[in-house]
Amino acid sequence: NAGVTQTPKFQVLKTGQSMTLQCAQDMNHEYMSWYRQDPGMGLRLIHYSVGAGITDQGEVPNGYNVSRSTTEDFPLRLLSAAPSQTSVYFCASSKTGMNTEAFFGQGTRLTVV
Amino acid sequence: AQSVTQPDIHITVSEGASLELRCNYSYGATPYLFWYVQSPGQGLQLLLKYFSGDTLVQGIKGFEAEFKRSQSSFNLRKPSVHWSDAAEYFCAVGNYGGSQGNLIFGKGTKLSVKP
Repeated sequence: NAGVTQTPKFQVLKTGQSMTLQCAQDMNHEYMSWYRQDPGMGLRLIHYSVGAGITDQGEVPNGYNVSRSTTEDFPLRLLSAAPSQTSVYFCASSKTGMNTEAFFGQGTRLTVV
Repeated sequence: AQSVTQPDIHITVSEGASLELRCNYSYGATPYLFWYVQSPGQGLQLLLKYFSGDTLVQGIKGFEAEFKRSQSSFNLRKPSVHWSDAAEYFCAVGNYGGSQGNLIFGKGTKLSVKP
């Protein structure tokens, strides 16, 4: 079972560059989310989606954009990378939300120089 | 607003010793509570969850947690730690607020295991 797949696993960007982090799940889950993990901060919610065509902001949305055109895919776009966006990014999916298990991808380690 | 506090940033235990990781939450009603584990370089894996009913819940890998409403706590326990348990552990609460359906995480407790 593939579960939640994130690509790439590692990425180095220059300040000002843009890129898209990919996330795909094959479990037909309605809920998908993006978190960032920083040392000593735990995981913080960036954006989330409760179904295709529906997205909303989380705790730390600035500098990021998302869309959900299909149930399977939930890409995260960095519009103009900044060093403050250096982090590990996790995509998660769950069947119907917080009362069901969230499955996490392996993460993308992003460094902005 | 809901929040989760994990008071211990780093804990070291000897292999075979018992373990308790602390978690306190802030929420008025009965929360959805979770414990996740993250091995180095990996994503998060669900250990156990509590929604309602029996306040002592069993999880994978021999872990259990007890929900105590009076103390707003959901501590994770294991009677005998194995070297493979070395990882970071996150307590989380389901968010009833603005981003419904998502999780609010504590800052994590890193567990080291001495041989």
